[in-house]
Amino acid sequence: IAGITQAPTSQILAAGRRMTLRCTQDMRHNAMYWYRQDLGLGLRLIHYSNTAGTTGKGEVPDGYSVSRANTDDFPLTLASAVPSQTSVYFCASRPDKTFGKLFFGSGTQLSVL
Amino acid sequence: DAKTTQPNSMESNEEEPVHLPCNHSTISGTDYIHWYRQLPSQGPEYVIHGLTSNVNNRMASLAIAEDRKSSTLILHRATLRDAAVYYCILRAEGGADGLTFGKGTHLIIQP
Repeated sequence: IAGITQAPTSQILAAGRRMTLRCTQDMRHNAMYWYRQDLGLGLRLIHYSNTAGTTGKGEVPDGYSVSRANTDDFPLTLASAVPSQTSVYFCASRPDKTFGKLFFGSGTQLSVL
Repeated sequence: DAKTTQPNSMESNEEEPVHLPCNHSTISGTDYIHWYRQLPSQGPEYVIHGLTSNVNNRMASLAIAEDRKSSTLILHRATLRDAAVYYCILRAEGGADGLTFGKGTHLIIQP
């Protein structure tokens, strides 16, 4: 059972470059989420999607965009990366009707220099 | 969602029970109490959740105070693999904007 797959596992990126973090799930969950985790700040929600074709902004959406063309994929794009976007990024999904039970991927460690 | 308060860290010995407290004095009637844990270098992992009654599963037990203003996650026999950050989170049913994670409790297990 794959669950949620995130890629890449880690990435070093020059400031100003564009980067897409990939997230794929095989559980047919409608709801998906992107979080970032920074030391001392915990996990913060960036964007979410209730179902394919819809997206919403979380707590810290600036500098990030998402798309949800189908149920399985929920990519996160940094159009022009900045050093403050150095973080660990986690993708998650949620089964229908279980509002508090999220399944998380293993994360992407992103360093913007 | 209402706020939760947890100790920053706790320490316990291997093979002993661990009681992780969480205060949520402003909890509303529709808030479920969820616990997650995050092992080093991994994403958060769901542990257990409940509304009013105590709950048990293969990972842990959740004891909820009668007034629901506090709860305790119980690990019956801690192992070194239980060393993690434990998050107590309140979430009402409905909506789809994820969970709000606080800083959690860093659980240290001594061999």
